[in-house]
Order: sequence, then structure tokens, then C-alpha cells
Amino acid sequence: GAVVSQHPSWVICKSGTSVKIECRSLDFQATTMFWYRQFPKQSLMLMATSNEGSKATYEQGVEKDKFLINHASLTLSTLTVTSAHPEDSSFYICSARVLGRTGEAFFGQGTRLTVV
Amino acid sequence: QQQVKQSPQSLIVQKGGISIINCAYENTAFDYFPWYQQFPGKGPALLIAIRPDVSEKKEGRFTISFNKSAKQFSLHIMDSQPGDSATYFCAASIILTGGGNKLTFGTGTQLKVEL
Repeated sequence: GAVVSQHPSWVICKSGTSVKIECRSLDFQATTMFWYRQFPKQSLMLMATSNEGSKATYEQGVEKDKFLINHASLTLSTLTVTSAHPEDSSFYICSARVLGRTGEAFFGQGTRLTVV
Repeated sequence: QQQVKQSPQSLIVQKGGISIINCAYENTAFDYFPWYQQFPGKGPALLIAIRPDVSEKKEGRFTISFNKSAKQFSLHIMDSQPGDSATYFCAASIILTGGGNKLTFGTGTQLKVEL
């Protein structure tokens, strides 16, 4: 299967600081990447769809100024949590859809963010 | 609303038994139905997927059964093993023009396979 690498796997930051999470498709090109948030024992909640070369599409209720998404190339998308607060602590997961293979989406290993 | 309902919320199966997880959807435009397996602290991993033009797909011990008229699909894990203990998510999506593919996830099933 296709490999999606997410970095870092965990991060602890102080309130008020910003954190950047990277999502890379290692062996394929991805025109579309997705960012999810997952709370303990809950399902994945889609935050935004990241399209290479254009602005991300955010789901209702997700603050675009809080969660900055950049998809600068066909293999890299980044999520920056700006001015993080303890309530932003969560498990963030990215996924990428394989160009030319409709439907299949592969996920990164996730990033555990803890804001103290 | 694009919803996918998943049951049961949790499931305990004896080693060697069959694990069955069910999902139901509402949007008839969905045309891709994957199942994901997630271990604690890890991202979901694609297990098996089906399109609505077939009623069943089997890969090793994993089988998807699909009932288009009932808008239901299920995952069967044969000969369940302790290593299968994980959270399973069903999902559905519409293959949008232009390459978009938003997955709508079920609520998840925590499977525990006991010795």
C-alpha cells in the first residue's frame, strides 16, 4: 500500500505557541490530503481538505485562522495549530488520496498534541 | 446529511470465532465503502474496501458483505485472533469530480478477541 508519513508523532507545547505538523506522501503523488482530529475513543472528525496549489476547504465549525493548512507540493501538506490552547490537545491525523486510484485514501500515523 | 451508522460499539469474541461489524448508510450516492483498522496511538490502516457493483469481497480472513437495496454493509473477520483486537471503522465516500474524496466515518467498534 501507499505510505503516508506524518511528523512529529507527538509534541508537547506551551499555551500560546504554534505547532506545525507535516504530512508527506512518500511513494505517490497526492493532489488531495485530508486533516482529521480524533478524541479518545471517538471517530475521526474531518477538519479540512487540502488541495495542492489552492486554499484548503474547511469543515463547518473549524476555525481556518486557528488551523492553518498549506499544501505546497504534491507530496507535502502541513497543518499549523496557531496560538495553541489546552483544548486543542488531541490526536491529529492526515490522509492522502492516491492520484489516479479513485477512492483509496491512506493515513499517516497521527500526531498526539498536548498543550500545557 | 451524510451519515454512516456503525454497530456494535464494542465486541468481544473468542479466539477462532467470527467477528461481525455492521454499518448502514443513507446517501445512495456513496460509491466506495472501505473498512479501516486502528490500533491505539496509530493512524487508521485500510483493511479492505468494496464498491456497490459487487455484493461480497474477500481478502484473507476479512470479508465485506454489501447489500445495496438495504444500504448496509458488514465486515466479517473469520478465525479471529488476539492480534485483531483493535478499533474498526467503516466509511463511505462519493468519488467527486476533480479528485475529491471525503470519507464519512462510522462511530467505530472496539473489538477484543479473547484467548
